[in-house]
Amino acid sequence: GDSVTQMEGPVTLSEEAFLTINCTYTATGYPSLFWYVQYPGEGLQLLLKATKADDKGSNKGFEATYRKETTSFHLEKGSVQVSDSAVYFCALSAIQGAQKLVFGQGTRLTINP
Amino acid sequence: DTAVSQTPKYLVTQMGNDKSIKCEQNLGHDTMYWYKQDSKKFLKIMFSYNNKELIINETVPNRFSPKSPDKAHLNLHINSLELGDSAVYFCASSQEPGPVNSPLHFGNGTRLTVT
Repeated sequence: GDSVTQMEGPVTLSEEAFLTINCTYTATGYPSLFWYVQYPGEGLQLLLKATKADDKGSNKGFEATYRKETTSFHLEKGSVQVSDSAVYFCALSAIQGAQKLVFGQGTRLTINP
Repeated sequence: DTAVSQTPKYLVTQMGNDKSIKCEQNLGHDTMYWYKQDSKKFLKIMFSYNNKELIINETVPNRFSPKSPDKAHLNLHINSLELGDSAVYFCASSQEPGPVNSPLHFGNGTRLTVT
């Protein structure tokens, strides 16, 4: 079945560091890909998405590119801030059948000032 | 204003009991969901309702029964609780059933502990 694998956390960085959180997927066909973020004390919310190969999703300085050849959707940010501290979830949605989100296990990110 | 609210936030109960988790959304969305986050932190869909009708049921034991009295509410009732039911349960909503064009909005989760 469809699945998503994220890099193990937690990840701790200093402010202004470069961030990469790896995400790879297994799916039949060409799913849509998402990053959701959960800030402390809040529910998950959509950060960005990409619906076809080579698409780049971006939001709040974060970017992720849909790489079909490597089945990856890595999340990147050039200069992180303390306010980026959160749990980040990679997810996919198959095109066919019931469109449901399949999530990875989440990666906890902590940014120190 | 909280868009998707779940109650209670924490629930501790004994094996064999029956309990409910309530969820309400004030976003005017047509679709609501229940997700379970297991011990390895994976979020897995349990149920999805669109306009009060069940559209996804992911092989969940029939001890779990969702109830949608109206589009703004989707409650989760669990009978005969087992130790393995301990998890964090998330409610979510979206304007349409497909997550591609309609992002999900999640509640803060309910941590259920069965002793």
